[in-house]
Amino acid sequence: EVQLVESGGGLVQPGGSLRLSCAASGFSLSSFSLNWVRQAPGKGLEWVAYIRSSTSLIHYADSVKGRFTISTDNGKNSLYLQMNSLRDEDTAVYYCARDQIYAFDLWGQGTMVTVSS
Amino acid sequence: DIQMTQSPSFVSASVGDRVTITCRASQDIAKWLAWYQQKPGKPPKLLIYAKSTLQSGVPSRFSGSGSGTDFTLTISSLQPEDFATYYCQQADNFAWTFGQGTKVEIK
Repeated sequence: EVQLVESGGGLVQPGGSLRLSCAASGFSLSSFSLNWVRQAPGKGLEWVAYIRSSTSLIHYADSVKGRFTISTDNGKNSLYLQMNSLRDEDTAVYYCARDQIYAFDLWGQGTMVTVSS
Repeated sequence: DIQMTQSPSFVSASVGDRVTITCRASQDIAKWLAWYQQKPGKPPKLLIYAKSTLQSGVPSRFSGSGSGTDFTLTISSLQPEDFATYYCQQADNFAWTFGQGTKVEIK
């Protein structure tokens, strides 16, 4: 089955770090571009980061630039998001999403990140 | 970054109604506009990409149109399973942005 499964969310204090994972099955991550998208409670969708590992192309939203790092491990067919210097406003459900023709055609179920003291 | 403005924010409609949602970009995005449907507690689902191409498996009552800065999602005959929140999304120069969403509720 073609799917994405996120993990690694949880409760973290402001200033802390967390690493999210997204395991792909049914397809090879290295053949696609991938993204992280987040959704704060009761709010809309916000794109966070993009990676195309075959070309080493990476982009970030201004709101996370310098704090978050996106990466892949093709051997494990997994996508990651290292989040440092977390802020209250980073609280959200984080989704990984596959990019195809400039639209996100496959999404994981999401993992909740709560930043609070 | 390109800003996306959706209207209306809320639609109250009945089964069988025709529903139209509009998305306006702050600058020309050619045809790189997608539409998603999201139900509570679920991830978004891609409905339409490249402004008017129906994603595989999506019912034909959904259609997209427009170009440049103004785009429209139309549901020709609203079904019970269509009550959800809809988002537009643009893809320009590796800085994707979403509209604020349109909630379609039962009248």
